[in-house]
Amino acid sequence: DAGITQSPRHKVTETGTPVTLRCHQTENHRYMYWYRQDPGHGLRLIHYSYGVKDTDKGEVSDGYSVSRSKTEDFLLTLESATSSQTSVYFCAISESIGNQPQHFGDGTRLSIL
Amino acid sequence: QKEVEQDPGPLSVPEGAIVSLNCTYSNSAFQYFMWYRQYSRKGPELLMYTYSSGNKEDGRFTAQVDKSSKYISLFIRDSQPSDSATYLCAMSETGRRALTFGSGTRLQVQP
Repeated sequence: DAGITQSPRHKVTETGTPVTLRCHQTENHRYMYWYRQDPGHGLRLIHYSYGVKDTDKGEVSDGYSVSRSKTEDFLLTLESATSSQTSVYFCAISESIGNQPQHFGDGTRLSIL
Repeated sequence: QKEVEQDPGPLSVPEGAIVSLNCTYSNSAFQYFMWYRQYSRKGPELLMYTYSSGNKEDGRFTAQVDKSSKYISLFIRDSQPSDSATYLCAMSETGRRALTFGSGTRLQVQP
């Protein structure tokens, strides 16, 4: 298994609270990604990183921010959580972009009440 | 219309059957094609990775890509109950940041 650890694995919180999800990798891969998975939508990219302090938006980035201060850690923050952000969040890593497969963590199940 | 279409299933087959899973897509720029298997409450696990057209075999799994028809397939021979999972197709363009996923097909292999 790819060395990817997501924390927490489950979280329940209230609307309007800030939430931070963590992804930690031990593979020293340059690229890291955050996806959300919702029924009927498959996996959709939120943000990705192509190096320390280098990040860019994906297709569903509104309401989310990210940070990457070290190669191994990629944080996803919901500044003020809304019920529409209830989802399963997956972190992925890859050695390069576009022509290398991505490997996924086991996800964080987030419920916003 | 979604860029990648995948029948959600569920697809139920008896143990030992040959399973065929399929995706169609509309973006002719896709060059890299992947199949992931996802068990309940786990992350997607890479099964097959192919570039451009053709076939690739790995054990009981065969991936086919037909770029002229914009159609990809995953065949599972001698299916086992442990193959019961959701299968996701994914594809990407050269140099692009994201994978585009199908919504997944749920497979049930009955003992």
